[in-house]
Amino acid sequence: KAGVTQTPRYLIKTRGQQVTLSCSPISGHRSVSWYQQTPGQGLQFLFEYFSETQRNKGNFPGRFSGRQFSNSRSEMNVSTLELGDSALYLCASSVLGQGNTGELFFGEGSRLTVL
Amino acid sequence: GQQLNQSPQSMFIQEGEDVSMNCTSSSIFNTWLWYKQDPGEGPVLLIALYKAGELTSNGRLTAQFGITRKDSFLNISASIPSDVGIYFCAGQLSRGNTPLVFGKGTRLSVIA
Repeated sequence: KAGVTQTPRYLIKTRGQQVTLSCSPISGHRSVSWYQQTPGQGLQFLFEYFSETQRNKGNFPGRFSGRQFSNSRSEMNVSTLELGDSALYLCASSVLGQGNTGELFFGEGSRLTVL
Repeated sequence: GQQLNQSPQSMFIQEGEDVSMNCTSSSIFNTWLWYKQDPGEGPVLLIALYKAGELTSNGRLTAQFGITRKDSFLNISASIPSDVGIYFCAGQLSRGNTPLVFGKGTRLSVIA
């Protein structure tokens, strides 16, 4: 069974640009969650999508947005990039959502560097 | 937002030693989970705990859901080099549409 796939794995952007990250969940998983991981803050919850609807949203500015498609694949977008957005962005999928069992399956992440 | 206090932040141990780490909160959690992240990888679920007082093992790993529901600990016995990584605790405040809250992690280094 294929795991969670995130693309791209690495990318470098400059301040003010925007970026789109993609996540393909495990087949049959309807929930996709996104996390930002930085050395100082650990894993910070961005949002969760379930069946194309945003179910939960973390405490991030509106520059961070996401969506989920009918095949459960998800994208997140960050506009007007800032230096502080440099981080590892992790996607996690689950069958019924975080709120059910809390058991998440993570991808390897997309490492974003903003110069 | 909710905070999970995870300690220690990092630890260096000799191969073969036992390891203990814990997570505490001022809030009551209904679920506690422990994840491990290897370098360059995403976190992987090690153990999930759903009931206060529950003690669960997974090979050399043992985790407990604190009786007050405000804490959890993870023990690793007879550590080996592949135990190196970052261990995260995660808690769920209530069942339903509540996202997990993660601790900041314990970075474990094993000296052979």
